[in-house]
Amino acid sequence: AQTVTQSQPEMSVQEAETVTLSCTYDTSENNYYLFWYKQPPSRQMILVIRQEAYKQQNATENRFSVNFQKAAKSFSLKISDSQLGDTAMYFCAFMKHGGRDDKIIFGKGTRLHILP
Amino acid sequence: NAGVTQTPKFRILKIGQSMTLQCTQDMNHNYMYWYRQDPGMGLKLIYYSVGAGITDKGEVPNGYNVSRSTTEDFPLRLELAAPSQTSVYFCASRPGGVGYEQYFGPGTRLTVT
Repeated sequence: AQTVTQSQPEMSVQEAETVTLSCTYDTSENNYYLFWYKQPPSRQMILVIRQEAYKQQNATENRFSVNFQKAAKSFSLKISDSQLGDTAMYFCAFMKHGGRDDKIIFGKGTRLHILP
Repeated sequence: NAGVTQTPKFRILKIGQSMTLQCTQDMNHNYMYWYRQDPGMGLKLIYYSVGAGITDKGEVPNGYNVSRSTTEDFPLRLELAAPSQTSVYFCASRPGGVGYEQYFGPGTRLTVT
């Protein structure tokens, strides 16, 4: 069974700094997808970024980028020029490729505080 | 498009009562999911559906039931509510095919006392 581990329960950084959130996963699959979701205080789950395992190039979305290390099964999220609005819970998630059993497995989350 | 909608937003139940959490999506997504999120924790999958008439158990299905009679609706039924079911419940949906992310509803906060 797949597992997703986020080793940092909580982090705080100053506004405008860069922060990296860690995520490791365990799977025997070769093709899969990885996601980072953001959950602000409003509770709404928002997709931040996604990565296809078959792509070597790291995904980027504006100030958000990932460092995907497939051999190490590591998928960290880097937030550059952090903003107060980035304060949220961040969840790393895994989904295997294809098949009926394609549910997403979530990590326990990292609570990120951006300090003014 | 409204996306994924959930009702009610909040609910307080007494032990032993029953209720149905409603979830509707207007994106014609085949796949729908129910999660619960306990305080300070991640999401745990309760049930999911890959299309109308098809449902499967997730990680924590005990105490819940679902049905999927239409593509749009995926209600979650709680029978004989227990304090352990106090949680925030999220419904999500996604298109068929591979690699698509899930779209989440705003959640229902349920308290059982």
